[in-house]
Amino acid sequence: QKEVEQDPGPLSVPEGAIVSLNCTYSNSAFQYFMWYRQYSRKGPELLMYTYSSGNKEDGRFTAQVDKSSKYISLFIRDSQPSDSATYLCAMSDAGGTSYGKLTFGQGTILTVHP
Amino acid sequence: DSGVTQTPKHLITATGQRVTLRCSPRSGDLSVYWYQQSLDQGLQFLIQYYNGEERAKGNILERFSAQQFPDLHSELNLSSLELGDSALYFCASSVASGRTDTQYFGPGTRLTVL
Repeated sequence: QKEVEQDPGPLSVPEGAIVSLNCTYSNSAFQYFMWYRQYSRKGPELLMYTYSSGNKEDGRFTAQVDKSSKYISLFIRDSQPSDSATYLCAMSDAGGTSYGKLTFGQGTILTVHP
Repeated sequence: DSGVTQTPKHLITATGQRVTLRCSPRSGDLSVYWYQQSLDQGLQFLIQYYNGEERAKGNILERFSAQQFPDLHSELNLSSLELGDSALYFCASSVASGRTDTQYFGPGTRLTVL
């Protein structure tokens, strides 16, 4: 079983829709949670970073963490065609010797059509 | 543009060969990370260097090795290449070595082993 599970999709939504992307994890040592966006043939770029349970909002994006359920989500409001990309959740632990190691989900391919 | 540069962009080689991938981190960043992205395994952490020293190791094969030079650029050496090594290889950099540092990813090197 992978440490981080993410539904690969693909997900296709109309412009303006609310998008929900989700990851579950099994390693309780994970304490820092990130969402990356990756456009085709590009490197991932950081969208959101959080370390506490609850919601964090940044513009049209909201990251939600539920540590008790080992579940994280990313919501995109008023989705735009420019949001079409692969979304990757990533996590790191709070101790030990893993330092900057990020563990990624498989990525969800999102298409927003006009 | 993240400020992380990787060369070459594409590499096509044969099984059994050896290749070197190069990464220049963002100005001021001391950590360099290497990741491998393939369709079946997703984005996987290989290794981290901080200011010239190995800091964390992931699922890096013995046939692979890396180093970070005094000018902070890094090289990933892949030897005795197999078909399964075909993948996108990303380099990322961050200011320090910790698990809360934002990692900025380069554009990647696409390796094809024939």
